[in-house]
Amino acid sequence: AQSVTQLGSHVSVSEGALVLLRCNYSSSVPPYLFWYVQYPNQGLQLLLKYTTGATLVKGINGFEAEFKKSETSFHLTKPSAHMSDAAEYFCAVQGDEKLTFGTGTRLTIIP
Amino acid sequence: DAGVIQSPRHEVTEMGQEVTLRCKPISGHNSLFWYRQTMMRGLELLIYFNNNVPIDDSGMPEDRFSAKMPNASFSTLKIQPSEPRDSAVYFCASSLKGTPTSGELFFGEGSRLTVL
Repeated sequence: AQSVTQLGSHVSVSEGALVLLRCNYSSSVPPYLFWYVQYPNQGLQLLLKYTTGATLVKGINGFEAEFKKSETSFHLTKPSAHMSDAAEYFCAVQGDEKLTFGTGTRLTIIP
Repeated sequence: DAGVIQSPRHEVTEMGQEVTLRCKPISGHNSLFWYRQTMMRGLELLIYFNNNVPIDDSGMPEDRFSAKMPNASFSTLKIQPSEPRDSAVYFCASSLKGTPTSGELFFGEGSRLTVL
């Protein structure tokens, strides 16, 4: 069975600072990994995904994530935080036909 | 292009009442997923359909919950009788090709259910 663990349920960064949201996965097969973002009172939307190929994946809004098999990690980063990045972020791993989501990390941006 | 449409957006009901949540997936998508989101449990997959057929309902909490997909453009999630612990945001999501192999699920805006 596949699973993901998100370290830190809440992360606060200053505007303009680096954003780093951590995700570790467990999978018995080569994983497909995803980051989704949820803005208040909205559904989730895809930020980026890793399936095969290049391990550094670029997504929308300046986010990127790097798949590190040796560390079983798929951390999400953004060089410079913007106020509009305040949201909840979910890491997910695909198993069979289903996505299993992490518990989410709420990102707060400090002006 | 319309996204996934859910109704109602908000529902407040009393314990014991029947609740029906509705979802219209994106046209052309042939997989549909129902998720529940709570503070305590996060996002839980309740059930998913491929080509209108239920594939895995192992996430459905108990017999009080049922879901149907009578055609490719409509699905319902029913709770009867409802209980306060069912209070949550229920999301419907759809995807293409029968499996989320691309992982891109398209979510509706959710139905916030409060059971008093």
